[in-house]
Amino acid sequence: GAGVSQSPSNKVTEKGKDVELRCDPISGHTALYWYRQRLGQGLEFLIYFQGNSAPDKSGLPSDRFSAERTGESVSTLTIQRTQQEDSAVYLCASSRTKTDAYEQYFGPGTRLTVT
Amino acid sequence: GQSLEQPSEVTAVEGAIVQINCTYQTSGFYGLSWYQQHDGGAPTFLSYNALDGLEETGRFSSFLSRSDSYGYLLLQELQMKDSASYFCAVPSGAGSYQLTFGKGTKLSVIP
Repeated sequence: GAGVSQSPSNKVTEKGKDVELRCDPISGHTALYWYRQRLGQGLEFLIYFQGNSAPDKSGLPSDRFSAERTGESVSTLTIQRTQQEDSAVYLCASSRTKTDAYEQYFGPGTRLTVT
Repeated sequence: GQSLEQPSEVTAVEGAIVQINCTYQTSGFYGLSWYQQHDGGAPTFLSYNALDGLEETGRFSSFLSRSDSYGYLLLQELQMKDSASYFCAVPSGAGSYQLTFGKGTKLSVIP
């Protein structure tokens, strides 16, 4: 594909429900990142995957958040028992390798609204 | 830890030049990146400085002074489409994969 894709583009959920967000990175990119962006704010790092190495989960805000990636392809970010504070845009990005982390290609994001 | 400071808002006239500053505090330094984000859009990579000096890419240039822990993004011949938020970002370690972003500078270009 031409770029990073994410689905769904918008998600409205009730407090307490689980949600799953999907990211398809650029083909051939080995590194994949998830960020959260609250309205009018900068990007907050959540988690990073590089190939088959163990992911860096240091940015996950709580144990309600988890993510998986199969090899160098699709990744899913799961938020369990959603809270209103989870409302934000969730952005996925990829880079050719981890040493190219300074140049990341972002998807359009998933706008999550928790009611 | 890492922290970056940018002005929250800048306004400039179409056709003019604008400079967006970024100062950083990092434990180690591994380069400074700049990203552009239009309202409702995804961030897009603009430039990266690993060494001191000026990097030029068309109408956009980026400058770095490691001794001053300072960089800036220079936009020339401003166009209305340049109205967007601009973020500086630093990697958290050598060859690191975790970017720390500033809070962003909202640039408004007026006629």
